Amino acid sequence: NAGVTQTPKFQVLKTGQSMTLQCAQDMNHNSMYWYRQDPGMGLRLIYYSASEGTTDKGEVPNGYNVSRLNKREFSLRLESAAPSQTSVYFCASSYLTGQNTEAFFGQGTRLTVV
Amino acid sequence: ILNVEQSPQSLHVQEGDSTNFTCSFPSSNFYALHWYRWETAKSPEALFVMTLNGDEKKKGRISATLNTKEGYSYLYIKGSQPEDSATYLCLAGNNRKLIWGLGTSLAVNP
Repeated sequence: NAGVTQTPKFQVLKTGQSMTLQCAQDMNHNSMYWYRQDPGMGLRLIYYSASEGTTDKGEVPNGYNVSRLNKREFSLRLESAAPSQTSVYFCASSYLTGQNTEAFFGQGTRLTVV
Repeated sequence: ILNVEQSPQSLHVQEGDSTNFTCSFPSSNFYALHWYRWETAKSPEALFVMTLNGDEKKKGRISATLNTKEGYSYLYIKGSQPEDSATYLCLAGNNRKLIWGLGTSLAVNP
């Protein structure tokens, strides 16, 4: 089972460049999430999509855009990368039913902006 | 086994009352805890994400605390209003998976 797949695993960008982080899940989950993880800051939610067709801002949405392309895919775009966006990015997905269900993380994308 | 429990299951309060409810989770390998507010037929609203022991976060009349050593988080609502009526969901876990609690359903009577 693939679970949650993120690409790329590593990326180095120059300031001002743009890129899109891809995330796909094959578990038929309706909710998907993008986080960033920084030393001393813990995990912070950038954007999430509770269901296909909806996206909502999390704690730190500035500088990012997202697209819920279909139920499987949720992409994160940096239009003009800045050094402050150097981080490890995680995608996750889950059902959102109020039941005791799980959310699964992807392997992470280590992004460096120089 | 990762198990996330929320209590109480439901709560009825009067307008103006302050209230709180609990999310309990296994403390070993803790990674993150989310609180969401979910009204029927709407998209859930992310309230807080907390990762560090002792974290306290506040958003208007709603605040939350986190104790990762003993494995619990409290969500507080000060001066409840009818528009606070919703289900409050907790999502917690380790760095491989997060588990949703069953939620606390809050009804605020005018």
